[in-house]
Amino acid sequence: DAGITQSPRHKVTETGTPVTLRCHQTENHRYMYWYRQDPGHGLRLIHYSYGVKDTDKGEVSDGYSVSRSKTEDFLLTLESATSSQTSVYFCAITKLAGVSTDTQYFGPGTRLTVL
Amino acid sequence: KQEVTQIPAALSVPEGENLVLNCSFTDSAIYNLQWFRQDPGKGLTSLLLIQSSQREQTSGRLNASLDKSSGRSTLYIAASQPGDSATYLCAVMGETSGSRLTFGEGTQLTVNP
Repeated sequence: DAGITQSPRHKVTETGTPVTLRCHQTENHRYMYWYRQDPGHGLRLIHYSYGVKDTDKGEVSDGYSVSRSKTEDFLLTLESATSSQTSVYFCAITKLAGVSTDTQYFGPGTRLTVL
Repeated sequence: KQEVTQIPAALSVPEGENLVLNCSFTDSAIYNLQWFRQDPGKGLTSLLLIQSSQREQTSGRLNASLDKSSGRSTLYIAASQPGDSATYLCAVMGETSGSRLTFGEGTQLTVNP
C-alpha cells in the first residue's frame, strides 16, 4: 500500500468554524489531490497540487483552500465550514501526470460532519 | 465535460456467479480507464488500469475491457466470492485533464454465500 495517511480520520464541527484536514505521504510523489465523496455524486475533485506551492482548482473548489509547503504534506482548509461540506474527504497521490500508465493511490479518508 | 456513468448502481448475486459491471463515458479522448474497489469506510484500491491503446487487462478473476470509440468499459468478475462484496468505481483520465480523474458513482456489489 502507498504510504498515505490522513488526519483526522473523523471530525465533527460546527457551522462557521475553520477546519484543516491533512494528507501526508511518504512516497515522495509530486502530484497530490483532494476529493470529496457524496452519495449521488461519486468522487469529485476539490483541489490538486503538481508540486510544492503549485496548486490548482478542481470542479468543486468553492469554500475550500489548499496549501503545500512540503512535498509530503497537502492541507485542505475549510475557512468557514457549512453543512453542505459534510462529506468524506479523500487524498490521493500519483508519481506522474498525463501518462497512460498513471494511476492514483488513495488515503483512508476523513469523515467530516458539520452541524 | 467528461461524464462517467456506471450501471447497475447495485447488484446482488449468489456466490459462484460470473458477473459484469458496466461503465460508459462521454468523451473518448482519454489516456486510460481505471477500475477501483472501495470497501465500506475505506479508501479506494486500484484493481485494473487499461491504457487507451489497449483493449483489455486481466488480474486473477478480474478482466476489464475497453472500447474507446464507443465510450464503454466492462469489468468481468469470474466465480464471484463473498469477499468480492464492495463498491466498484470506474474512472477515466482525459487527455486534456493532466492526471485528473473523472469518476462514476460506482456499482455496489453484494455476493451472497
